[in-house]
Amino acid sequence: QITLKESGPTLVKPTQTLTLTCTFSGFSLTPSGMGVGWIRQPPRKALEWLALIYWDDDTRYSPSLKTRLTITKDTFKNQVVLTMTNMDPVDTGTYFCTHFTPGALVDSWGQGTLVTVSS
Amino acid sequence: DIVLTQSPGTLSLSPGERATLSCRASQSVSASYLAWYQQKPGQAPRLVIHGASVRATGIPDRFSGSGSGTDFALTISSLEPEDFAVYYCHQYLSLWTFGQGTKVEI
Repeated sequence: QITLKESGPTLVKPTQTLTLTCTFSGFSLTPSGMGVGWIRQPPRKALEWLALIYWDDDTRYSPSLKTRLTITKDTFKNQVVLTMTNMDPVDTGTYFCTHFTPGALVDSWGQGTLVTVSS
Repeated sequence: DIVLTQSPGTLSLSPGERATLSCRASQSVSASYLAWYQQKPGQAPRLVIHGASVRATGIPDRFSGSGSGTDFALTISSLEPEDFAVYYCHQYLSLWTFGQGTKVEI
């Protein structure tokens, strides 16, 4: 059974850098385990993909946020870390960590963590 | 980017009725890379359909997906009370994008 859990600050100030950690179990970042992606959702709005990382460290980023995002992994700790720089109140929302299969299908989600950006 | 446009924004129906949700892509998406997710308030999304028409594990057969190219649909043949939620289509062919969602309300 795959489980993922997001952790990090619940409140950040504008211009600060957000660092979120996804800790997972039930799979490994191997060719068969594939990878982890981050998706966010502003309050009462739609889902928005942010970034993903494959088992081999290959990464992909949302074109609109690419300059602000970095995604890395620690295979031995079963963790993936997302950093987002220059946070703004519009970045307020729930951030989800997800597992994707070798076919790039998102089949499991973490519970999400609410991040509020406010001074 | 592949933009996904869902319609309608809100679908007001009664239990037992049929729901048809639409998802249109700005460019062709291989059916193998089109999924639908269900999200209830305060919860993470749950996979309903992948590969455009394949039900995910544990999804009842009243849910069905169809389509190809740029036009896809999710149909719920007879709405149960637990089906009232927001549904998102998602393409994972080229990077990832989501539609803006369709709310199915009572």
